[in-house]
Amino acid sequence: QVQLVESGGGLVKPGGSLRLSCAASGFTFSDYYMSWIRQAPGKGLEWVSYISSSGSTIYYADSVKGRFTISRDNAKNSLYLQMNSLRAEDTAVYYCARIFRVDAFDIWGQGTMVTVSS
Amino acid sequence: EIVLTQSPGTLSLSPGERATLSCRASQSVSSSYLAWYQQKPGQAPRLLIYGASSRATGIPDRFSGSGSGTDFTLTISRLEPEDFAVYYCQQYGSSPEYTFGQGTKLEIK
Repeated sequence: QVQLVESGGGLVKPGGSLRLSCAASGFTFSDYYMSWIRQAPGKGLEWVSYISSSGSTIYYADSVKGRFTISRDNAKNSLYLQMNSLRAEDTAVYYCARIFRVDAFDIWGQGTMVTVSS
Repeated sequence: EIVLTQSPGTLSLSPGERATLSCRASQSVSSSYLAWYQQKPGQAPRLLIYGASSRATGIPDRFSGSGSGTDFTLTISRLEPEDFAVYYCQQYGSSPEYTFGQGTKLEIK
């Protein structure tokens, strides 16, 4: 079945780094744009970044620009998010999601928790 | 950046009743790039509606979306027990830009 599975979350100190991964299965990963979306504890949803199917086009939310890097490996059916210079306000569940058409997110992973705290 | 404001913040209804959730945008949403999601506790969001009024795959027909420009509505015609959850609207704009509303919690009365 169509599935996205995130991994790599954990506890990190402010200023530290973490790399999230998202493994895709059940669909042709290389055909789809992908995105990362996060949700702080008890809060709403915030779009973080997106990457085109080939990886040639990338965008970031202003809140993470210059600190986070999205990438993908279509041969491994995997999406990544390298997070540097982490701040307390980056604490959230991070979801990878498949982009449907250009404007919606139709498949979501279960999420991975990132906690930034000293 | 387009801001989406959802109302009400919390909606208390009983199973079998009709639910009407509102999403208002600070500027016109282009080409009706407006989607709705349902999120239950501890779960990822699920896409319900895209393009303002098209149901996603597998979504029951009691869910319907309408609206254009700056005013959008999600209607659940007859509430089932599993429909009580938090609902988010989301828009796509050029840049690209994806923004979500703050959510409406639909709770059992």
